[in-house]
Amino acid sequence: DQQVKQNSPSLSVQEGRISILNCDYTNSMFDYFLWYKKYPAEGPTFLISISSIKDKNEDGRFTVFLNKSAKHLSLHIVPSQPGDSAVYFCAAKLANAGKSTFGDGTTLTVKP
Amino acid sequence: DTEVTQTPKHLVMGMTNKKSLKCEQHMGHRAMYWYKQKAKKPPELMFVYSYEKLSINESVPSRFSPECPNSSLLNLHLHALQPEDSALYLCASGLRAGSINEQFFGPGTRLTVL
Repeated sequence: DQQVKQNSPSLSVQEGRISILNCDYTNSMFDYFLWYKKYPAEGPTFLISISSIKDKNEDGRFTVFLNKSAKHLSLHIVPSQPGDSAVYFCAAKLANAGKSTFGDGTTLTVKP
Repeated sequence: DTEVTQTPKHLVMGMTNKKSLKCEQHMGHRAMYWYKQKAKKPPELMFVYSYEKLSINESVPSRFSPECPNSSLLNLHLHALQPEDSALYLCASGLRAGSINEQFFGPGTRLTVL
């Protein structure tokens, strides 16, 4: 049973437009959600996170929205830049748990 | 220093070899992790160390043997691996195992088992 799902394996957007990456989860007990970005031949790097008590968190061009009733979160990147082209992983954590559960990832391509 | 380093970057080994992967961080993090990642798949947790003690083993085969000699170092000893164990092995660290803080990942070791 995959508890965190990213249903779009890939997304292509034009430079300057908005990128929206989606993530769904099944465990309503998750307390914390994180987005990581991964370039080829590198480890994932942390991008932005959101606590389950909030519905929005913003950091520069990156905004994460959380809809607890729908068990859905999304990452908005605006404006998108070619350097944003990478694989984006959504992850979820339970409070006081030692592990994060990752989605399968979405490959974002931003075209110049 | 906000980096997690891993050596070697690439490793090719036969099924009868014994080798070790190394990971180091100097951020004062007390949680360290080993993940395995296959192509086009998410990182798959293998082990979690909390304050140098093994706290999570995700039913990993005994041919993988983790070791945490001190709070900055994490090793993964490999013995009698199978070709299907070929993958990217990622090390990560975090403030504490139970914290909500993010993990910091190393660049990984690309392992090929012949």
